[in-house]
Order: sequence, then C-alpha cells, then structure tokens
Amino acid sequence: ILNVEQSPQSLHVQEGDSTNFTCSFPSSNFYALHWYRWETAKSPEALFVMTLNGDEKKKGRISATLNTKEGYSYLYIKGSQPEDSATYLCASLVYSGGGADGLTFGKGTHLIIQP
Amino acid sequence: KAGVTQTPRYLIKTRGQQVTLSCSPISGHRSVSWYQQTPGQGLQFLFEYFSETQRNKGNFPGRFSGRQFSNSRSEMNVSTLELGDSALYLCASRLAEFFEQFFGPGTRLTVL
Repeated sequence: ILNVEQSPQSLHVQEGDSTNFTCSFPSSNFYALHWYRWETAKSPEALFVMTLNGDEKKKGRISATLNTKEGYSYLYIKGSQPEDSATYLCASLVYSGGGADGLTFGKGTHLIIQP
Repeated sequence: KAGVTQTPRYLIKTRGQQVTLSCSPISGHRSVSWYQQTPGQGLQFLFEYFSETQRNKGNFPGRFSGRQFSNSRSEMNVSTLELGDSALYLCASRLAEFFEQFFGPGTRLTVL
C-alpha cells in the first residue's frame, strides 16, 4: 500500500450503536499513525498518535488499535452520540533519511449519527 | 494558551496573481506544517518548517513556497495562481515529531 486508505468512505449509525472503521497505511519505514476528528466548520482535532505495534489508545468512548506489521489501524466508537458526527482522518508518518516525512492523510470516513 | 491562528480567513484572487498566507503557531511550537484541502484530494501535505528551515516538502510545483521566521510564524506563498489552487489551506503546529498536530482554522482561497 503506497497511500493511506480509509474505509468505509461514509457511515450512517444509529445513536447508541457502536461502530468502527479502518485505516490502511504503508508498513515499511513506519514512524507513527495519527487519528484526527474533523467537525464541519471547525479545525481537525487530534485524537491519537500511535507509534508501537499493538498500541491501544482510549479517549472516553473512542479507542484505536495499531498493527504496524500489516499496516492497519482501527478506530472504535462505543455508544455513538450525535456529537460524534464528523469526518475521521488517519495520517501516516514514515521515516526516510534523516527523519520523518510529512503526514500523509487518508480521505477520511464521514460518520453521521442518526438520532 | 492561544491556538494556531491563520490570516486571512478568506481570500479571492484572480488567475496569475500571487498570494501570501500567514500562520502563527502555538507558543513554544517550532514546527509548522502546511496542507491543502480540496474536495477530491483530501488533505495534502505541502511543506513543514522547523526552526526556520524547510524540513519536508510535498509533491507540489515550485509555485508553492514558504518560509518561517525566528518567532516560528510561517508564511506560505503561491505565485501565478491557477484555478486549481482554489482550496482550503490549513497550517498546523506541533511540539516535536511524535506529538499531535494542532490545526488552525484555515484560509479559504478562491481563484477566479
């Protein structure tokens, strides 16, 4: 995988349901994986920065896992609420030469929570 | 602590003109990155500056350039504007390499 790919592109979920989506990224020269939430008319907001294979991070009802060997990360939202409606972006940081390259973003998963 | 600020917020230019966008990072952050967001392409990395030096550059033509000042404020310049340069330009600052980025509100550039 040369690019960062996210699936699904969009998702409609009933309030109270749990959901998850996927980020696939290049596993070679891996440095870090970022997750951001981007609400309409706001700036992207960082959720997690993950660096180690097997990493699991949690913030409230949102959690993420990381598999650097196979190049994927999952984001989970438990008990979705209307305020979770946003676009969720993942971004890969790879190592080249003297340090990390710039972040490569996926196109995002657009999540809509229906009351 | 004040967040990342960008000026101007909106800009309308015509083809062939040039434009300069400004970004002030969070106090203490020495890294500033710039991104272009278009509906079809998503967020694309333009370049990153750290301590006044360009550290990384994305796959954009030479018309896109930037610089960073000693107070970490950064400017991005686009010369000879094209219609396809119409986009939201976001800048982001961070403390260090493994830390999250904090994004500004963006500058919406429209090229007519």
